[in-house]
Amino acid sequence: GAVVSQHPSRVICKSGTSVKIECRSLDFQATTMFWYRQFPKQSLMLMATSNEGSKATYEQGVEKDKFLINHASLTLSTLTVASAHPEDSSFYICSARDRGYDGYTFGSGTRLTVV
Amino acid sequence: AQTVTQSQPEMSVQEAETVTLSCTYDTSESDYYLFWYKQPPSRQMILVIRQEAYKQQNATENRFSVNFQKAAKSFSLKISDSQLGDAAMYFCAYRPRTASKLTFGTGTRLQVTL
Repeated sequence: GAVVSQHPSRVICKSGTSVKIECRSLDFQATTMFWYRQFPKQSLMLMATSNEGSKATYEQGVEKDKFLINHASLTLSTLTVASAHPEDSSFYICSARDRGYDGYTFGSGTRLTVV
Repeated sequence: AQTVTQSQPEMSVQEAETVTLSCTYDTSESDYYLFWYKQPPSRQMILVIRQEAYKQQNATENRFSVNFQKAAKSFSLKISDSQLGDAAMYFCAYRPRTASKLTFGTGTRLQVTL
């Protein structure tokens, strides 16, 4: 089946540094990639949607300059948390929409801790 | 705006028994998809079942089935012969056919006891 590889699974960084999270679709072309944030015991909150080769569309309230999304190819999308602060600590999940099948495949998530 | 409501924050079921998780949604669309996703402790989101609104027949996947009531905007998930591995967070989700974004409910935590 379709697989999305998300790395790293866990990252701890110092306040003020930037962190990059990668999501790769391994055996399909991801025309659209979604980035979510999930707080403990809560639902997934959509942060942004990106289409390959286009600028990402951010949800209301999400800072574009802090959460930088790049979707340069049909198999790779990255989320960079710029100048991370402790309040950015969370669980981040990507989801890819398959061009060939109208379904969604989720990455395994990244737990970001900013100290 | 579309909303998805899961009114049961937590549910518990004994192994081998049946449990039903509730989901209601609000939309003005007539053509859409509904989903149930499972998120086990590993946090990996797994598609459990999917329903297309224009199909009257309720979707089934092995021990999982749905009761889709379009007029009532209700989409419940029934898990039969519950197993310990079914313990997880379950999220109901909605997407209009013409859009790409999923809207998730707040989730129901399912415990399975011996």
